[in-house]
Amino acid sequence: SQTIHQWPATLVQPVGSPLSLECTVEGTSNPNLYWYRQAAGRGLQLLFYSVGIGQISSEVPQNLSASRPQDRQFILSSKKLLLSDSGFYLCALRVGKEETQYFGPGTRLLVL
Amino acid sequence: KQEVTQIPAALSVPEGENLVLNCSFTDSAIYNLQWFRQDPGKGLTSLLLIQSSQREQTSGRLNASLDKSSGRSTLYIAASQPGDSATYLCAVYLRGGYNKLIFGAGTRLAVHP
Repeated sequence: SQTIHQWPATLVQPVGSPLSLECTVEGTSNPNLYWYRQAAGRGLQLLFYSVGIGQISSEVPQNLSASRPQDRQFILSSKKLLLSDSGFYLCALRVGKEETQYFGPGTRLLVL
Repeated sequence: KQEVTQIPAALSVPEGENLVLNCSFTDSAIYNLQWFRQDPGKGLTSLLLIQSSQREQTSGRLNASLDKSSGRSTLYIAASQPGDSATYLCAVYLRGGYNKLIFGAGTRLAVHP
């Protein structure tokens, strides 16, 4: 079965600093990959999804970007963090035509 | 635009009670609906997936129903236990495209001994 790893688990960054969150998956090939953000008191919001290497779609305009340099690697980045970027970031995958998504353990980001 | 609402936002009950968590969505043209559990600071664990052609799913003490015409789903938890304490998230899959999920804000459940 597939496994999702997210790194780091927790991150505290100053406003204006860069960001790189990594998601790697094991046990599957050519998955759809997703980045979600969960802000305090709010539901999960889809930020980006990817159907393959180098293919990224953005759901909402924002201060973040995503890249997929390898089939099983999905990276979330920012050049300059804002206070509003604080939240819990979850990576998810979909395998083939399965009708469910599987979620990673998440990264908690606090921007001060 | 699809919106998902969960009621109540928080719930505190004594152990042993039967519970009903509610989820409503504005657009009935959904593909599937899924209930997740989230423990504090953790990722999501899938509880039940109801496909668009189904009306309910059961797993152990959990039962979820789906009424697409009224835009509602309920999660029923029988004989609640302290280990059930968590946030329960309802999410709908939109038709077409890339398996897009729209989440509700969740119901935070506390079951005390």
